[in-house]
Amino acid sequence: QSALTQPASVSGSPGQSITISCTGTSSDVGFYNNVSWYQQHPGKVPKLMIYDVSDRPSGVSNRFSGSKSGNTASLTISGLQAEDEADYYCCSFTGGITLYVFGTGTELTVL
Amino acid sequence: QVQLVQSGAEMKKPGASVKVSCKASGYTFTGNFLHWVRQAPGQGLEWMGWINPNTGVTSYAQKFQGRVTMTRDTSINTAFMELSGLTSDDTAMYHCAREVKRGLDSWGQGALVTVSS
Repeated sequence: QSALTQPASVSGSPGQSITISCTGTSSDVGFYNNVSWYQQHPGKVPKLMIYDVSDRPSGVSNRFSGSKSGNTASLTISGLQAEDEADYYCCSFTGGITLYVFGTGTELTVL
Repeated sequence: QVQLVQSGAEMKKPGASVKVSCKASGYTFTGNFLHWVRQAPGQGLEWMGWINPNTGVTSYAQKFQGRVTMTRDTSINTAFMELSGLTSDDTAMYHCAREVKRGLDSWGQGALVTVSS
């Protein structure tokens, strides 16, 4: 099971919107609506931002939204803030021997 | 509040085994799957497997099958992950994490395992 493909880095200015893509296959992202997204600041543990493609846990800002089209899931952050600068990882259920697979990770820089 | 507290850092020699613990509090331990995720220095997240603390049923990533064993002790609300045949490639931070609705909503602080001769 290969890691899901994410861009290595994205950047944006404060107040702008950015989107991070997460590309899998028809056996994982394309088949199951079980994609989650995690934010990880340096030296910190990951934080759940989105689950089941587009649902937000309580306490997560509504500036974070998720979607999916075909084999690609996306995380959009609107009204970019300095505190959003972090690494972001997607994760999908696969239903295979390896039940879950993470994305390669994306470093978000707020300019 | 939900807390997952892991055992401390370990230094092991190649070929050895390591066992990391994850003590849960603040919720019903048997009510949620517990996952293990590792992160090598400067690298991304890697899913290792999960355990159903209620039944003890496990599912391991293919990469780790034959080398990893996940167990739990419900009397002390603690899960364990043992990895054998360690190599330098296993040097990483090992996290346990609770699953809620197929998302990992609470994470342990991590246990750094260093493999070096």
